[in-house]
Amino acid sequence: EPEVTQTPSHQVTQMGQEVILRCVPISNHLYFYWYRQILGQKVEFLVSFYNNEISEKSEIFDDQFSVERPDGSNFTLKIRSTKLEDSAMYFCASRWDRGTGDTQYFGPGTRLTVL
Amino acid sequence: DQQVKQNSPSLSVQEGRISILNCDYTNSMFDYFLWYKKYPAEGPTFLISISSIKDKNEDGRFTVFLNKSAKHLSLHIVPSQPGDSAVYFCAARGNYGGATNKLIFGTGTLLAVQP
Repeated sequence: EPEVTQTPSHQVTQMGQEVILRCVPISNHLYFYWYRQILGQKVEFLVSFYNNEISEKSEIFDDQFSVERPDGSNFTLKIRSTKLEDSAMYFCASRWDRGTGDTQYFGPGTRLTVL
Repeated sequence: DQQVKQNSPSLSVQEGRISILNCDYTNSMFDYFLWYKKYPAEGPTFLISISSIKDKNEDGRFTVFLNKSAKHLSLHIVPSQPGDSAVYFCAARGNYGGATNKLIFGTGTLLAVQP
């Protein structure tokens, strides 16, 4: 069964460093998402991406964040200068739309630890 | 932002009995609801969904009920099994049009099924 994959599973970085989180969505999906979950909190929407552009972003997704689909398979989230509060689990999700009733499928997540 | 609420942080049931997980929402624009199951250090796994035009959807041991007038949905698991022990998230999608369809998550309910 097709699944969303994410690498790395755990990333440790120093505050102020750039990180790139990588995702391979399900191959025939058209819509791509990043969510995050800070420890003990709810899963929060960050950004959605469709047709090679951002379709919506949350307040969390400020100028330090960017997303890219550099080829036909990868979908990346870049944090330019990490802060302590960026420590969280980051989940990539994708879906394939044919009218209403879509479902987003999530990857296993990347645990980002900012020291 | 408390648009989706799961007021029970935890629930404990005996194996073989019914588990009922509840979710309330406030935004009448939500038109599609999903339940995800999540184990520690893994991504949310899709369980079952329901469109706002229905009041019930069933898939094996899992049934979701939607009461639009009360803005309430519930997930029934019967019979409950020890392998069902996990955190269950309710999520809602808004019908805002466009290309986003972001999900708004509740805070989750930790289900423990006792053998």
